[in-house]
Amino acid sequence: NAGVTQTPKFQVLKTGQSMTLQCAQDMNHNSMYWYRQDPGMGLRLIYYSASEGTTDKGEVPNGYNVSRLNKREFSLRLESAAPSQTSVYFCASSESWQGLFGANVLTFGAGSRLTVL
Amino acid sequence: GQQVMQIPQYQHVQEGEDFTTYCNSSTTLSNIQWYKQRPGGHPVFLIQLVKSGEVKKQKRLTFQFGEAKKNSSLHITATQTTDVGTYFCAGYNYGQNFVFGPGTRLSVLP
Repeated sequence: NAGVTQTPKFQVLKTGQSMTLQCAQDMNHNSMYWYRQDPGMGLRLIYYSASEGTTDKGEVPNGYNVSRLNKREFSLRLESAAPSQTSVYFCASSESWQGLFGANVLTFGAGSRLTVL
Repeated sequence: GQQVMQIPQYQHVQEGEDFTTYCNSSTTLSNIQWYKQRPGGHPVFLIQLVKSGEVKKQKRLTFQFGEAKKNSSLHITATQTTDVGTYFCAGYNYGQNFVFGPGTRLSVLP
């Protein structure tokens, strides 16, 4: 049982290049999320998908787009990378949306370290 | 919007010493979760607290939710090198996504 799988683990981009981070979960979770982690900033929500077919902006969505391809997969795209997007990106999933009463536990992937030069 | 702060930002302890990290929210919370992230790893869920004044224990770890549901603490008794990592709290309110604190990084010297 792999849980949440992210690819790639590491990526170096030049300013202006585009790329897509892939995420897949095998726990039959309904909700998926993309976070970025920067030193001293904790985890900040970029976009989330409460259920298949829906996506919503989080705290820091500018410069990103997402696609919920199916129930298992949720991708994050940087159309024109900027140095400010240098970060570690985590995909996470939960059984249902974390905003529902009872709050759900987040299961995180191993992370993708992105450097934009 | 809701803000979640944690203190201290860093803590260095000698193995065997106790450790406490504090989490404070700008608003009353429905509940709070704690996560641990080992160096180079990803956050892993530790526990969820729901009730005012709730105290939960996991071996050497004691978690507490404040009476006003605006603060929480994590206390580790007799730290071990396996406790090294960053501890995050995540505050939750119904209808909203979690808000993570910036974390407390714990170093344990053998």
